[in-house]
Amino acid sequence: GESVGLHLPTLSVQEGDNSIINCAYSNSASDYFIWYKQESGKGPQFIIDIRSNMDKRQGQRVTVLLNKTVKHLSLQIAATQPGDSAVYFCAENLGAGGTSYGKLTFGQGTILTVHP
Amino acid sequence: GAGVSQSPSNKVTEKGKDVELRCDPISGHTALYWYRQRLGQGLEFLIYFQGNSAPDKSGLPSDRFSAERTGESVSTLTIQRTQQEDSAVYLCASSLQGFYGYTFGSGTRLTVV
Repeated sequence: GESVGLHLPTLSVQEGDNSIINCAYSNSASDYFIWYKQESGKGPQFIIDIRSNMDKRQGQRVTVLLNKTVKHLSLQIAATQPGDSAVYFCAENLGAGGTSYGKLTFGQGTILTVHP
Repeated sequence: GAGVSQSPSNKVTEKGKDVELRCDPISGHTALYWYRQRLGQGLEFLIYFQGNSAPDKSGLPSDRFSAERTGESVSTLTIQRTQQEDSAVYLCASSLQGFYGYTFGSGTRLTVV
């Protein structure tokens, strides 16, 4: 059967390098974006979020950049560690109010592998 | 509890059987969501409960899928007459309001044989 896992983008880095994971979102009306980390056998875990009125937001070792012109989102991880190895998903929300409120649309995900 | 709890963690069922998946949200969270994650793919929205409002069922793939929620507590996702393409991890999330503070459970891995 189809091995859908091979369709996921992958990123391999050395420990200590900086990682950049990219995401193209679908809807220009989306006003809120979140990055999630998912380790094997676990549910997605919140990393960082950003509203559409911002271009950049920083957390601990992570930075999210938003380019609304080209509908592009990126997650930068500084000094990547082996514990950062996981699948990373971006998610978008179409905005408060109406039937879309609270419903996130997820990207396909990127597999990050950090080599010691 | 401290987090979102889902049970069972794994379920193997025969094609054609019905299954029930349970989600216990974080106490006080008014919003509850079900997502499906097929192997190697992103999360696919299924259904959303917010307080006493009518649920948003727009993501349910067929009438074999249904979900209920008792007040602001436990939710059950039921899949009738399971098919092999239903095999996936079913994830539940809850939040205080809308998408703020979304917290996921570890999911139920459903395998239909």
